[in-house]
Amino acid sequence: EVQLLESGGGLVQPGGSLRLSCAASGFTFNIHGMSWVRQAPGKGLEWVSTTSGSGSSTFYADSVKGRFTISRDNSKNTLYLQLNSLRAEDTALYYCAKLFGYYTEEAFDFWGQGTMVTVSS
Amino acid sequence: EIVLTQSPGTLSLSPGERATLSCRASPSVNSRYFAWYQQKAGQAPRLLIYGASSRATGIPDRFSGSGSGTDFTLTISRLEPEDFAVYYCQQYGSSPYTFGQGTKLEIK
Repeated sequence: EVQLLESGGGLVQPGGSLRLSCAASGFTFNIHGMSWVRQAPGKGLEWVSTTSGSGSSTFYADSVKGRFTISRDNSKNTLYLQLNSLRAEDTALYYCAKLFGYYTEEAFDFWGQGTMVTVSS
Repeated sequence: EIVLTQSPGTLSLSPGERATLSCRASPSVNSRYFAWYQQKAGQAPRLLIYGASSRATGIPDRFSGSGSGTDFTLTISRLEPEDFAVYYCQQYGSSPYTFGQGTKLEIK
């Protein structure tokens, strides 16, 4: 059974940093691309970042480029998202999602339950 | 950036009726890289359709997707009570991988 368990969210001041983690199980982690998607309270889905199975290809939304970094440790079956220079508008539930295949141009076929990030003073 | 515009914003129907949800892309999208997701209140999204018309694993055949280029459609042939939710379209062929703003399907 595929499982994705996000952690690392919390309350942080503007300008602060957080590192989100997504522990994966139930599938061969290193042959699937992975993504982060966020959802602000009461709003729609916003794609944040995607990485390939090896981690060699990464893409970011313009709204987070230069501030967020996606990475993965295939030996630990874990996906990460480093969030720096946080702003109030980054407040959202952050979902980890598994891609259908190895590359980055794949549908998101399984999602975790999310971890909440709140940016406020 | 590819902008996806979903219509209508809210669709009010009764169980047993047919639902037709639309998503318009600007500029056009390769249908190979187009998906639909369902999100129920308090839950994570679930993949319904990928490649514009392929149903994901475990998705009932009352859900179908069609379209190409700039116009895509999700059809639910006969609504069940559990189908009332928010539906999102997405393109994943060109970064940024954009989502539509969502269509809320509510019980009439």
